[in-house]
Amino acid sequence: SYELTQPPSVSVSPGQTARITCSGDALPNQFAYWYQQKAGQAPVLIIYKDTERPSGIPERFSGSSSGTTVTLTISGVQAEDEADYYCQSADINVTYWVFGGGTKLSVL
Amino acid sequence: EVQLVQSGAEAKKPGESLKISCKGSGYIFTDYWIGWVRQMPGKGLEWMGIFFPGDSDTIYNPSFQGQVTMSGDKSIDTAYLHWTSLKASDTAIYYCARRNLGSGWEPWGQGTLVTVSS
Repeated sequence: SYELTQPPSVSVSPGQTARITCSGDALPNQFAYWYQQKAGQAPVLIIYKDTERPSGIPERFSGSSSGTTVTLTISGVQAEDEADYYCQSADINVTYWVFGGGTKLSVL
Repeated sequence: EVQLVQSGAEAKKPGESLKISCKGSGYIFTDYWIGWVRQMPGKGLEWMGIFFPGDSDTIYNPSFQGQVTMSGDKSIDTAYLHWTSLKASDTAIYYCARRNLGSGWEPWGQGTLVTVSS
């Protein structure tokens, strides 16, 4: 089965830049999507098609892609960014979807 | 406003059946796939499958095939997730989300907590 691999945790100080990676064999051929889930809340889409940001999402959130790895970058991290972040993608036929294991971002 | 509203929390016993719902509003319900996602306590998101209300087409994650049934009633813009015999391991929060072609899954329902315990 297809898998996406994320680091379990990332820690940064306020104002620093956080980078969260997501690796998967099909990522060169399929778009990735990123979701933010704060404690006790439903996930929220923050990046789609690798690099696009939905309206209402702060500019400090950005996405990039290189080969089998996509990266979520949060510039100037704020305390409110502390959350779990999940990448998502699909198989080559966009039939089966998968989430990465999630990365807990801690703002020290 | 595009919205998905899910049914309330459920407490069930092993072996019981259950159907939870996800009602869409603010858009043409039959034009978009609805995905279902499980989140077990303290764990990550798991894709269970997707359902197309327009023609009831369904694609299951093989890990969930035969364990749950996805269905819908397009007359009331509602999708369902159904279990015939719950297990303790079904205890989780279940989310529905609208799949937007090329632009990710958004919005998400608020989640339905299902607790299965004897």
